[in-house]
Amino acid sequence: NAGVTQTPKFQVLKTGQSMTLQCAQDMNHEYMSWYRQDPGMGLRLIHYSVGAGITDQGEVPNGYNVSRSTTEDFPLRLLSAAPSQTSVYFCASSRLDRTNSPLHFGNGTRLTVT
Amino acid sequence: AQSVSQHNHHVILSEAASLELGCNYSYGGTVNLFWYVQYPGQHLQLLLKYFSGDPLVKGIKGFEAEFIKSKFSFNLRKPSVQWSDTAEYFCAVKSAGNMLTFGGGTRLMVKP
Repeated sequence: NAGVTQTPKFQVLKTGQSMTLQCAQDMNHEYMSWYRQDPGMGLRLIHYSVGAGITDQGEVPNGYNVSRSTTEDFPLRLLSAAPSQTSVYFCASSRLDRTNSPLHFGNGTRLTVT
Repeated sequence: AQSVSQHNHHVILSEAASLELGCNYSYGGTVNLFWYVQYPGQHLQLLLKYFSGDPLVKGIKGFEAEFIKSKFSFNLRKPSVQWSDTAEYFCAVKSAGNMLTFGGGTRLMVKP
């Protein structure tokens, strides 16, 4: 029962480099999202998706791209990393239903941009 | 836009003390409310949620929360904390659409 799987767990980038954070879930959840966690600021929503082929911006989308070609996968791309993107990134998923199912979180990716 | 405030950034308690963590939100319409816990080095886990019915919600590990609509609040409580409750606690609110807005978190340290 894997749940939400994020890779890598740790990553160090230089300014201007690009990379993709991977997120996969095996629970057939329609909803997937990416958050960044910074001290004292809680979790801020970057992008989210309510189904394959559908993505939308969250609170802090600048500098990040996403795509949702399958229900299972929701990668987050940094096209040109900046030090301000140093953070811990969490992917989360949930069902879309009337009982407002809670989010299931991955274990996080700690990203440092130098 | 929805905002969520957690007024206590750090709380230090001794074991067996009672806990109350405050959470206030800004949206005045229908909301769904959550408390998540993040133990050191781990991801967020759901403690409890409210979406309708009894405003007093019981969650895992002896935690409960009370939704007070008139005060836009959803405070988390536990009568007697344990050292193992040391963690960061996040209040979250889902209003229109599917966006979940988190508060800034409260770091709880329980001294043995």
